[in-house]
Amino acid sequence: DIQMTQSPSSLSASVGDRVTITCRASQSISSYLNWYQQKPGKAPKLLIYAASSLQSGVPSRFSGSGSGTGFTLTISSLQPEDFATYYCQQSYNTPPTFGQGTKVEIK
Amino acid sequence: QVQLVESGGGVVQPGGSLRLSCAASGFTFITSGMHWVRQAPGKGLEWVSFIRYDGISKYYRDSVEGRFTISRDNSKNTLYLQMNSLRAEDTAVYYCVPGDFWGGYFAYWGQGTLVTVSS
Repeated sequence: DIQMTQSPSSLSASVGDRVTITCRASQSISSYLNWYQQKPGKAPKLLIYAASSLQSGVPSRFSGSGSGTGFTLTISSLQPEDFATYYCQQSYNTPPTFGQGTKVEIK
Repeated sequence: QVQLVESGGGVVQPGGSLRLSCAASGFTFITSGMHWVRQAPGKGLEWVSFIRYDGISKYYRDSVEGRFTISRDNSKNTLYLQMNSLRAEDTAVYYCVPGDFWGGYFAYWGQGTLVTVSS
C-alpha cells in the first residue's frame, strides 16, 4: 500500500495567517491526490481533488499544489471556520490511503 | 441533493456480528461504485471495502478480508456491510461513500454509524 505522511501533525495559527500543510507519498502518485477537511463529530468534506482542483463551493482561500510524491495544501488567510483536521488521500493505486491528519488549532 | 444515510451500528461483543446499511439517494446509485470508510475514535480515516456498480467486483482491506462482506441491492439503492468475527480494533464510525475504486475522490459522505466492539 502507498503510505501517505502529513506534516506537521498539528499546528497553531491565528486568524488571517497563511497556513501550509505538506503531504508526502511513499511512491509517485502523479496528481492523484485529494484533500479533505473534517470538523469534530462531522463527516469529512472534500476540498481539493486531483492535487489542485477546487471542489465546487469551497472558498478560494484554499489551494493545492504538487505532483509525484510531494503535495501542499495552502490556506491563504485562515478564517475561524477553518480550524479543523485536514487529511490527504491518494487514489493512484489501490487501496486508497489517507494521511494521518493535520490538526489546525487556534493560537 | 446527494443523501447517504448509514444505519445498523451499535455495541457488540468481540466475536459478534453486525450488518450496516446505507440508503442512497440523489445520484445514480446503479452506476456508482461504493466504498465503506471507517474512523476509529480519535484516529484517522481508513478505507475498508469497495464494490463495483454491478456488485461483481469487491475489494477489502487485509485486516477485514474473510470477516466482512460488502454487498448492494440496486433495486433498493442500498449498500450493506456484513461484519462478522468483530474485534475491538473494528470499533469506529463507518461511512458509506460513492466513488471509483481508482483515480477518483470522495465528494459525498454520509453522517456515519458508530460500531463499538466491547465486552
